[in-house]
Amino acid sequence: SAVISQKPSRDICQRGTSLTIQCQVDSQVTMMFWYRQQPGQSLTLIATANQGSEATYESGFVIDKFPISRPNLTFSTLTVSNMSPEDSSIYLCSAGSGETEAFFGQGTRLTVV
Amino acid sequence: GQNIDQPTEMTATEGAIVQINCTYQTSGFNGLFWYQQHAGEAPTFLSYNVLDGLEEKGRFSSFLSRSKGYSYLLLKELQMKDSASYLCAVRDSNYQLIWGAGTKLIIKP
Repeated sequence: SAVISQKPSRDICQRGTSLTIQCQVDSQVTMMFWYRQQPGQSLTLIATANQGSEATYESGFVIDKFPISRPNLTFSTLTVSNMSPEDSSIYLCSAGSGETEAFFGQGTRLTVV
Repeated sequence: GQNIDQPTEMTATEGAIVQINCTYQTSGFNGLFWYQQHAGEAPTFLSYNVLDGLEEKGRFSSFLSRSKGYSYLLLKELQMKDSASYLCAVRDSNYQLIWGAGTKLIIKP
C-alpha cells in the first residue's frame, strides 16, 4: 500500500487569495487524483493529475481556478485560486496504480473568510 | 448516467451485525471499492471486489454480484469505533471512481 502525505492539513484563507496543496506519495504511482468533499457529502472528482502533461478536469472545474502540477510520479500540487467562501471544503489527494485500491492523503480542510 | 445508490443512514447495536447495500449503474465495471470515513478524516480503504462472490477480511466482508449491479458490506461484532460513513465506489470503463453518497452508520451501546 502507498502512504500519502498531504499538506497543509488545514488553513484559513482570505477571499481573493490562493492556496497550494501538496501531495507526496512514498512510491511511484500511475494515477493521482484530486477530490473535493463538502461536509456530509461524498467525494467530487476535480481532476486527474497527469505526469508531465496537463491535468484532465471534470465538468465544472477549470484549470484557471484549480491549476494542478505533477512533475513526477510521486508528487502533485493543487492550487485553489482567487478563493471565495464557496471554495471552503475538504480537498483530498488520492493515488493508486491501475487495478488496485486507491489511497488517500489526510485531506486539507480549507476555510475561506 | 452513472449512479451509485446506498442508504443515507443506518443504526445498529454494539456487538451485532449490519449489512450496508450498494447498487450501481455505471458505464463499464472495473471493480468496486468500500471505504470507511470517520468524521473530519480522509477515507480509508476497506475492500475491493472485481469478481462475483464474497471477500472476507476479519470482521468485514464484501459481496459483489455484477449481473445485479449489487454489492454489500457486512460488518460483524460491531464496535463503537465502527461508527463512521461507509462509501461505495465503482471504477468505470475509464478507470475513474464513481462515488456513492455514503452511508452514515451509527452504533448504539
